[in-house]
Amino acid sequence: SQQGEEDPQALSIQEGENATMNCSYKTSINNLQWYRQNSGRGLVHLILIRSNEREKHSGRLRVTLDTSKKSSSLLITASRAADTASYFCATGSASKIIFGSGTRLSIRP
Amino acid sequence: DAGVIQSPRHEVTEMGQEVTLRCKPISGHNSLFWYRQTMMRGLELLIYFNNNVPIDDSGMPEDRFSAKMPNASFSTLKIQPSEPRDSAVYFCASSNDEQFFGPGTRLTVL
Repeated sequence: SQQGEEDPQALSIQEGENATMNCSYKTSINNLQWYRQNSGRGLVHLILIRSNEREKHSGRLRVTLDTSKKSSSLLITASRAADTASYFCATGSASKIIFGSGTRLSIRP
Repeated sequence: DAGVIQSPRHEVTEMGQEVTLRCKPISGHNSLFWYRQTMMRGLELLIYFNNNVPIDDSGMPEDRFSAKMPNASFSTLKIQPSEPRDSAVYFCASSNDEQFFGPGTRLTVL
């Protein structure tokens, strides 16, 4: 069964706008990761946030983690056409990492 | 490092045939994962190994699927006999912390 669930399932925004995706999970975690998948390709790791961290930045990406609500958000600022992809959150525990079902992000030119 | 290597990249076979997918993880990584991705079911974890030992195979669909990791640098996922519903992209990933994915094997069972 899926541990993380992304919201929304699909998101379409104008180029230049910010995109926010959310992830909720069920059990305690050691870390949470976000991945991107372009059509027909494998997943690419974007960012990892540990359970004792609340916010992390990487370039145009900002990730927050609220362990009390068991939720995380991924913000992509100043979106570009190349950001069109599916985005997955993955929650890690001592035993394994489980992926959510993903958010399909489309950037309109 | 060349990253996670999977072979073949594409496989087309007939129902009932045996299919073997191969994966070479990144050197030094202690965990290896096999995933299956379809439009209908999304990304499913099939099995993962830690230090070459299978830890959780609860995602393996049925007895037709088996996976081995004889050493730290090689793993196989075998389907015998294959069925059309096995058609999917199969990904291998390795990690110490973050997961690095291979390019996938696109399997089509006719």
